[in-house]
Amino acid sequence: QKEVEQDPGPLSVPEGAIVSLNCTYSNSAFQYFMWYRQYSRKGPELLMYTYSSGNKEDGRFTAQVDKSSKYISLFIRDSQPSDSATYLCAILTGNQFYFGTGTSLTVIP
Amino acid sequence: DTGVSQNPRHKITKRGQNVTFRCDPISEHNRLYWYRQTLGQGPEFLTYFQNEAQLEKSRLLSDRFSAERPKGSFSTLEIQRTEQGDSAMYLCASSSLGGPTDTQYFGPGTRLTVL
Repeated sequence: QKEVEQDPGPLSVPEGAIVSLNCTYSNSAFQYFMWYRQYSRKGPELLMYTYSSGNKEDGRFTAQVDKSSKYISLFIRDSQPSDSATYLCAILTGNQFYFGTGTSLTVIP
Repeated sequence: DTGVSQNPRHKITKRGQNVTFRCDPISEHNRLYWYRQTLGQGPEFLTYFQNEAQLEKSRLLSDRFSAERPKGSFSTLEIQRTEQGDSAMYLCASSSLGGPTDTQYFGPGTRLTVL
């Protein structure tokens, strides 16, 4: 079993829609949870991080962690065409990061 | 210093040749990481440095791969006797100690194609 599982999509939504991206993880000892956005042919860019269960908001983005279910989510409100990218969840434990495979998102104008 | 830089951005080589990539981290960051990313996959950890010390290496890092960070600033990743399976994007990231998380900032990557 991989440490982090993420549905690769692709996901296609109309502009203005609410997007839900999800990952599950296997090890309850995992401590820190990140979401990265990666545009084509670019390195990943950190969007948000959290280390506790519950919600964390930053503008149109909300990161949610449910440690009891080992489930993390990223919600994007009022999605824009510029949000079209691949979204990677990442989990830090100790000194090592584990990344999901990424979910490809396209927001259609 | 606006971010992590990597050179070259693209490298095409023939099977069996050696290649070397360079990463310049954010100047105040003392941790530096190398990852490999293939199409449709997330980054896979290869190795990381704290200052000039290489503290961890993945099982993915075969004997043909070597990384250095001689003065605790820039780093190089060398692949000897390249194979077609080495074709991938090689990403470098840096971070600083001290915060509640070891948040990594990535460079644009070096795309390697082995013919």
